[in-house]
Amino acid sequence: AQSVTQLDSQVPVFEEAPVELRCNYSSSVSVYLFWYVQYPNQGLQLLLKYLSGSTLVKGINGFEAEFNKSQTSFHLRKPSVHISDTAEYFCAVSETSYDKVIFGPGTSLSVIP
Amino acid sequence: IAGITQAPTSQILAAGRRMTLRCTQDMRHNAMYWYRQDLGLGLRLIHYSNTAGTTGKGEVPDGYSVSRANTDDFPLTLASAVPSQTSVYFCASSDSGSGRNTGELFFGEGSRLTVL
Repeated sequence: AQSVTQLDSQVPVFEEAPVELRCNYSSSVSVYLFWYVQYPNQGLQLLLKYLSGSTLVKGINGFEAEFNKSQTSFHLRKPSVHISDTAEYFCAVSETSYDKVIFGPGTSLSVIP
Repeated sequence: IAGITQAPTSQILAAGRRMTLRCTQDMRHNAMYWYRQDLGLGLRLIHYSNTAGTTGKGEVPDGYSVSRANTDDFPLTLASAVPSQTSVYFCASSDSGSGRNTGELFFGEGSRLTVL
């Protein structure tokens, strides 16, 4: 069965500093990987996704993530965060790109002025 | 504006009552999903439907039922609500057919349900 682990439940970071949000998954087959962002009192929206090809994926708002198959990881990074990046971030996995999508518990990113 | 509409946005419900959360999409996506979001647990899949007329169970289906009579609507019913069903419920859809699949889920704004 698939599962997703996000080791950090809360990540405070100063404005303009770099950030990495960690995500590890477990699956016995090939997977597709996603990062979603949820701003306060809103639904989730897609940040980026890995389906195939290059292991370095670039998304919206300057975020990127790298798929590491040997470490079963898909960490999210941004070189310089802004106040507007304060939100909840969810890593998700599916065994096919249109199968059931399983979400991690989320990481709350707080950007400090 | 195309997207997913959920109703109600918020509801307080007495335990034992029946409740239906409505979800409608206008993107003609074939797959739809219901998730519940709880602090520290992320989003957990309740039920899903890969196409009109079919449904399946997710991670936490007990106490919930769904139907998919047509492409656009995917209501979630709590037959007899219990306090542990207090949560924020999100409906989502994906375009998983016709070679247009992107793997992306599109979410509604959520329905906040409190069961007392």
